[in-house]
Amino acid sequence: QSALTQPRSVSGSPGQSVTISCTGTSSDVGGYNYVSWYQQHPGKAPKLMIYDVSKRPSGVPDRFSGSKSGNTASLTISGLQAEDEADYYCCSYAGSYLVVFGGGTKLTVL
Amino acid sequence: EVQLVESGGGLVQPGGSLRLSCAASGFTFSSYWMSWVRQAPGKGLEWVANIKQDGSEKYYVDSVKGRFTISRDNAKNSLYLQMNSLRAEDTAVYYCAREIYDFWSGYRDRFDYWGQGTLVTVSS
Repeated sequence: QSALTQPRSVSGSPGQSVTISCTGTSSDVGGYNYVSWYQQHPGKAPKLMIYDVSKRPSGVPDRFSGSKSGNTASLTISGLQAEDEADYYCCSYAGSYLVVFGGGTKLTVL
Repeated sequence: EVQLVESGGGLVQPGGSLRLSCAASGFTFSSYWMSWVRQAPGKGLEWVANIKQDGSEKYYVDSVKGRFTISRDNAKNSLYLQMNSLRAEDTAVYYCAREIYDFWSGYRDRFDYWGQGTLVTVSS
């Protein structure tokens, strides 16, 4: 099972919006609505930000949103803030007992 | 408050063994699937293994099958990962994570809580 494809880095200025893509196949992202996104600050544990493509856990700001089209899922962060600077990982159910993560995207807030 | 605290990491020689533990609190441990997810230095996340609530089902990523064993003790609210025949490529921070399966489909859905991780270094 290959890792999902994410851009290595994205950047944006405070207040702007950025979108991180996550491309898989019809066997994972395209085949199921079980895509989740995780935020990870350096040296910290990952934190769930989006699940089931577009649902937000309690406590996650509504600046974070998720969507999916075909084999590509996307995480959009609007109204960028300095504390959003982190690594972001997508994850998808891939059938049977498998899940697959993306390679991660480093978000820089300029 | 949900808490997951890993322990047991360290430096081990290639071919050696190590047992990781994860102490859970703040939720009914016996009601959840649990997973181990690892992250090699400077790399992305990789799911390693998971275990059903009662321990009756266990699944592994291909690269660790036959070498790693996941287990749990619901009476002690603890998750374990026995790692044998360790290789340099197993070097990583190992996270314990609570996992949610979709109630209706039975499919894997998300990892909703994570521990802080424990570092395993395999080197001579």
